[in-house]
Amino acid sequence: AQKVTQAQTEISVVEKEDVTLDCVYETRDTTYYLFWYKQPPSGELVFLIRRNSFDEQNEISGRYSWNFQKSTSSFNFTITASQVVDSAVYFCALSDLGGANNLFFGTGTRLTVIP
Amino acid sequence: DADVTQTPRNRITKTGKRIMLECSQTKGHDRMYWYRQDPGLGLRLIYYSFDVKDINKGEISDGYSVSRQAQAKFSLSLESAIPNQTALYFCATSDIAGSSYNEQFFGPGTRLTVL
Repeated sequence: AQKVTQAQTEISVVEKEDVTLDCVYETRDTTYYLFWYKQPPSGELVFLIRRNSFDEQNEISGRYSWNFQKSTSSFNFTITASQVVDSAVYFCALSDLGGANNLFFGTGTRLTVIP
Repeated sequence: DADVTQTPRNRITKTGKRIMLECSQTKGHDRMYWYRQDPGLGLRLIYYSFDVKDINKGEISDGYSVSRQAQAKFSLSLESAIPNQTALYFCATSDIAGSSYNEQFFGPGTRLTVL
C-alpha cells in the first residue's frame, strides 16, 4: 500500500530563515513518482515538482530545493530565505505507475512565515 | 482561461438535498479524478475515470456517485448530502503520455457546506 507521511503539521519561521519540510513515503513499487504541491490561502493547488524514482538527483529551482533519498524513502523540500508569500500548506504526494496512476497525499504541512 | 474548471465554486446546502458538482477541462486529457480535502487529512480520492466508459471507485466513494458525460466533463453527485460531506472538493485531470505524464492538474476547488 502507498503511504505518505508529513510529520510536521505546522511550522513557523521568521522571514529570511531557511525551512525544510519533511516527506517520508512507503511503497512496494520500484517505479513511482513523487510530487510536491503548494496550497496558498486562496485554496488552489499549485504544482511544484515531480520526481521519478529513477532520478535521485537533487533539484534546485530558485529558492526551492528538493532532496530525494531512496535509501531513507524521503523527499524533503527546502525553502531558502523564506518570504511571507511562502506561507501556505504544502503537500507531498506519491503516485504509482500502475493502471490508476492515483495520487496518494500526505496530510500536509502548514508553513507560516512571519514578517 | 483555466484548463480545469469547477462549478460551483462555493455551495451551501441542507442535509438530504441532492447536489451535483461539475468539472470541465480543456486539456484533452482522458483521465479525470475527484478528491475531497478535509482539514488535517490531506486529499483523498473519491472516484476516478480513465475514459467515458471507465469509472472506478476511490478510497472514499460511499455517499457519492459520478458521471462522465464526455471526455471533457466529469460530475460528482451527492444523492443525499450529510454534514460530514462538508469539505473542499477538487477535480483533477491527467494525461497518459507526454512530458506531463502522471502529473495531475487540479481545478480551483469547490467549497461545499452541508447544514
